[in-house]
Amino acid sequence: GAVVSQHPSRVICKSGTSVKIECRSLDFQATTMFWYRQFPKQSLMLMATSNEGSKATYEQGVEKDKFLINHASLTLSTLTVTSAHPEDSSFYICSARPLRLAGVADTQYFGPGTRLTVL
Amino acid sequence: GENVEQHPSTLSVQEGDSAVIKCTYSDSASNYFPWYKQELGKRPQLIIDIRSNVGEKKDQRIAVTLNKTAKHFSLHITETQPEDSAVYFCAGSFTGGGNKLTFGTGTQLKVEL
Repeated sequence: GAVVSQHPSRVICKSGTSVKIECRSLDFQATTMFWYRQFPKQSLMLMATSNEGSKATYEQGVEKDKFLINHASLTLSTLTVTSAHPEDSSFYICSARPLRLAGVADTQYFGPGTRLTVL
Repeated sequence: GENVEQHPSTLSVQEGDSAVIKCTYSDSASNYFPWYKQELGKRPQLIIDIRSNVGEKKDQRIAVTLNKTAKHFSLHITETQPEDSAVYFCAGSFTGGGNKLTFGTGTQLKVEL
């Protein structure tokens, strides 16, 4: 149980294009999903918190107009990197927190990640 | 906000020995502390977690201890095996923080034959 999928696993795009990444919780409902970015040999840095049916909350320094997040259902969140540039190349990972009692700090299950390379 | 520090950054042990990774956190309101194992190019996988109402938790060769007063927690792996080689991340979160996880900087564990 608690499986999170992410698609695509790898994408290469030209500078200036937009890329959409999907994150799905396959066997549970998730009111909250999180998007992280991880550079080589570094830790996971939270970009934004995505809540179903409401606007995402972005971490300081993350441009909300560049990284568009949509959480349309309890099992799907999407991250769109708009007008991608080479510096956006990174490993993007989502996680999902199962729907449980509100206010309880709880486990996050991670997707397999998306390797984005912007040429 | 929360700050989590992790040590050491690299750890090399002989197969069969124990490995210990330590983390400290800054926010006394933190009440949930998971540990993740990440192999190269793969997703972080939860290996054990602990909540602030207990001081220790064990699952086979893996254990985690928590000292709330000192605001530090540790991962203990006994009888290490080559397949334990990976990067390990500690993290902390607190109920009032929207369940956001703040991650440590990671420890590259290498188990040598």
